[in-house]
Amino acid sequence: DVQLVESGGGLVQPGGSLRLSCAASGFSFSSYSMNWVRQAPGKGLEWISYITSSSDTEYYADSVKGRFTISRDNAKNSLHLQMNSLRAEDTALYYCARGKHYDTSGYYFDYWGRGTLVTVSS
Amino acid sequence: DIQMTQSPSSVSASVGDRVTITCRASQDIGSWLGWYQQKPGKAPKLLVYGASSLQSGVPSRFSGSGSGTDFTLTISSLQPDDFATYYCQQTNSFPRTFGQGTKVQIK
Repeated sequence: DVQLVESGGGLVQPGGSLRLSCAASGFSFSSYSMNWVRQAPGKGLEWISYITSSSDTEYYADSVKGRFTISRDNAKNSLHLQMNSLRAEDTALYYCARGKHYDTSGYYFDYWGRGTLVTVSS
Repeated sequence: DIQMTQSPSSVSASVGDRVTITCRASQDIGSWLGWYQQKPGKAPKLLVYGASSLQSGVPSRFSGSGSGTDFTLTISSLQPDDFATYYCQQTNSFPRTFGQGTKVQIK
């Protein structure tokens, strides 16, 4: 079965850094692009970053561009999100999500982890 | 960036009711639209991709339609398991924006 397990969340002070990880299993990780999506408490979903299967292309939401960096290690089946200069508004549950191309129908997030909570507060 | 606007923000309905949720894109996205269901404390689940194709395992009471800028998700006969929040998402371009969500509540 496909499994995505996030880790690395916690309480951090404003301006601090945190590195999230997502351990993937049950599928050929190196064949899929991956994403990070976050959800602030009581709020909706916000896509924040994407990386191709070979790490040759990355995209970021404007809200995190220049502060967050996505990366992956295909040898270790892991996805990462380095978060720097954290702000109170970055407080959220962070999900990793597998991206899948459905023929000519587009690209969607077919598997999600359960999330890891990041709280930015002094 | 493409803005996705869902309506209504919430709907109260009874088991057996037909429920329709609308999603409007700020520009033409073709059929590059997905719908996700999220239950409290759980990760989102993909229901519909390509605006109208059901993800494997999704009950046939769910259906999606639309293209261009206007899309709908319909639950033909609401079941107890369907009370959740539903999100649309465009995958036409980056950033992959979501709608703000529609909460389906018990009447």
